[in-house]
Amino acid sequence: EIVLTQSPGTLSLSPGERATLSCRASQSVSSNYLAWYQQKPGQAPRLLIYGASSRATGIPDRFSGSGSGTDFTLTISRLEPEDFAVYYCQQYGSLSWTFGQGTKVEIK
Amino acid sequence: QVQLVESGGGVVQPGRSLRLSCAASGFTFSNYGMHWVRQTPGKGLEWVAVIWPDGSTQYYAEFVKGRFSISRDNSKNTLYLQMNSLRAEDTAVYYCASGHPSHSGIPNYWGQGTLVTVSS
Repeated sequence: EIVLTQSPGTLSLSPGERATLSCRASQSVSSNYLAWYQQKPGQAPRLLIYGASSRATGIPDRFSGSGSGTDFTLTISRLEPEDFAVYYCQQYGSLSWTFGQGTKVEIK
Repeated sequence: QVQLVESGGGVVQPGRSLRLSCAASGFTFSNYGMHWVRQTPGKGLEWVAVIWPDGSTQYYAEFVKGRFSISRDNSKNTLYLQMNSLRAEDTAVYYCASGHPSHSGIPNYWGQGTLVTVSS
């Protein structure tokens, strides 16, 4: 099973700042099959990024994904008030899908 | 628009069984893989199982293999999760999710979840 480790656990930033979230895999993710999700309290997760760098339908372009192999990054270029949430990475390159433990982006 | 509505959650004793359902609408259900993902209270997400569009193939997380079974009825646009030999650690909100058009392995649209509590 591929273990995904996200860092930092919590990111304290102000609106308008840039957020950089990391996701590291215990082994190479096949075909860069890595997705990112956003989850707000009391809501289901929402797909943001798939294939490491493709934005899902309706996702603003301030969200971008990058990386390959074992190291992946989600960047939010300028934080909007609605972006404060928990973010999860997920790999679907093996036949046992796994999620990272999440990074909380909170208002500083 | 895509709608996924889970049902069947509740309180169940350890060792007992429960079946969850997920009613889908707003898309061609039979064309998409479907997932179950769970979230323990206050914790993160755990992928549980996936089933391919025609129901021919299923994959499971190790911690549910042999206990849980995913199935679908494409004529009813409904996904199921049969959960047997339930344990306290199976307590969670269970979400169903539809696969992405580009790859069934990507949980795309999600329901709002149904809470399963395993307790004596």
